[in-house]
Amino acid sequence: DADVTQTPRNRITKTGKRIMLECSQTKGHDRMYWYRQDPGLGLRLIYYSFDVKDINKGEISDGYSVSRQAQAKFSLSLESAIPNQTALYFCATSDMGRGRAGELFFGEGSRLTVL
Amino acid sequence: KNEVEQSPQNLTAQEGEFITINCSYSVGISALHWLQQHPGGGIVSLFMLSSGKKKHGRLIATINIQEKHSSLHITASHPRDSAVYICAVDNFNKFYFGSGTKLNVKP
Repeated sequence: DADVTQTPRNRITKTGKRIMLECSQTKGHDRMYWYRQDPGLGLRLIYYSFDVKDINKGEISDGYSVSRQAQAKFSLSLESAIPNQTALYFCATSDMGRGRAGELFFGEGSRLTVL
Repeated sequence: KNEVEQSPQNLTAQEGEFITINCSYSVGISALHWLQQHPGGGIVSLFMLSSGKKKHGRLIATINIQEKHSSLHITASHPRDSAVYICAVDNFNKFYFGSGTKLNVKP
């Protein structure tokens, strides 16, 4: 099984629908991230969480919300999807402690298309 | 303003060639990561380094902290090396990513 699992892997939906992307990890890491990837723009941070009670907005959080249900689970929601949210979404985890670097582990990505 | 700049954006090489991808950054870091993304999406970590040089097989990564610069080298390139290579810096609380270098190695 993958260390970081994202579901669904592919989703096509319509404008205005609510969508949830789920991420679960078996690494035991405290730190979890949601990124969005668009062609030519690289990875951009949507939300991040350093533990269950610590949720932080990233650079492009508008239109998104998250829930950290447990250390291992971090979900991303689009309350009312719009076409410019069509992108490839990645969940990532890190065991980075304060002042100490840690490796990054990525899920396989969730491709979302909003019509 | 991009905290992480990569060059080149696109690179085509013949099988067997030596390849270099460069990364410059402007923020303080605790570590720098090189990532690989194959067509189809998945991203895997190749290296994490905070000083000096690391080697895995045909891949070598170097970093110069004073110059805020890192390079990824591929020796004896092979078509299976074709992928997007992404530089990411660990800014203590969050990561910043370059926009990637798309490498195509032709047989």
